[in-house]
Amino acid sequence: GESVGLHLPTLSVQEGDNSIINCAYSNSASDYFIWYKQESGKGPQFIIDIRSNMDKRQGQRVTVLLNKTVKHLSLQIAATQPGDSAVYFCAENRRQAGTALIFGKGTTLSVSS
Amino acid sequence: EPEVTQTPSHQVTQMGQEVILRCVPISNHLYFYWYRQILGQKVEFLVSFYNNEISEKSEIFDDQFSVERPDGSNFTLKIRSTKLEDSAMYFCASRETPWSQPQHFGDGTRLSIL
Repeated sequence: GESVGLHLPTLSVQEGDNSIINCAYSNSASDYFIWYKQESGKGPQFIIDIRSNMDKRQGQRVTVLLNKTVKHLSLQIAATQPGDSAVYFCAENRRQAGTALIFGKGTTLSVSS
Repeated sequence: EPEVTQTPSHQVTQMGQEVILRCVPISNHLYFYWYRQILGQKVEFLVSFYNNEISEKSEIFDDQFSVERPDGSNFTLKIRSTKLEDSAMYFCASRETPWSQPQHFGDGTRLSIL
């Protein structure tokens, strides 16, 4: 599988590999974090989220890890498929109700067969 | 599954003209947002709207921008006198309450200023 230690704008993997996409967030006051997938010509689509009282959360083929000490978030995709090819954004939300999302830089994931 | 819908999908406008982008949030949602994404860049917050008033706005949301909920279903973003740098994808998002997660996004309107 491929792993990314620091944020990189692109990640290319082979079908079946595991992918890891990293994100650094900025605000210590953020208590909610979310990963969105954006396909070409579409809006951000929810993948998985995590609150600051957790370190890890698993979904179907996806896992989000949160390291509050270094303000780092990662998205792991197991057995990456061509349909996973998209731009992935992390976003953070501050503790106050209703506040806007702050998006990170996207990572373009390309999956080849 | 309920969706946020946006119209038009693509809007081409001459510089200096007014443009209105339309959104229909998910029907039981109460909190609405506009974001924009300049080509190749990250998504940026513009404004949030709750209880018929602006809740929060960013530095981008200057006097040229306004939002309105003209009826029970639509939520609009107006740009009074468009500039070339307003060219971007504009996304509408909604959430059920100020505390609920996540925000749900529409597929956006591509605004091209000539």
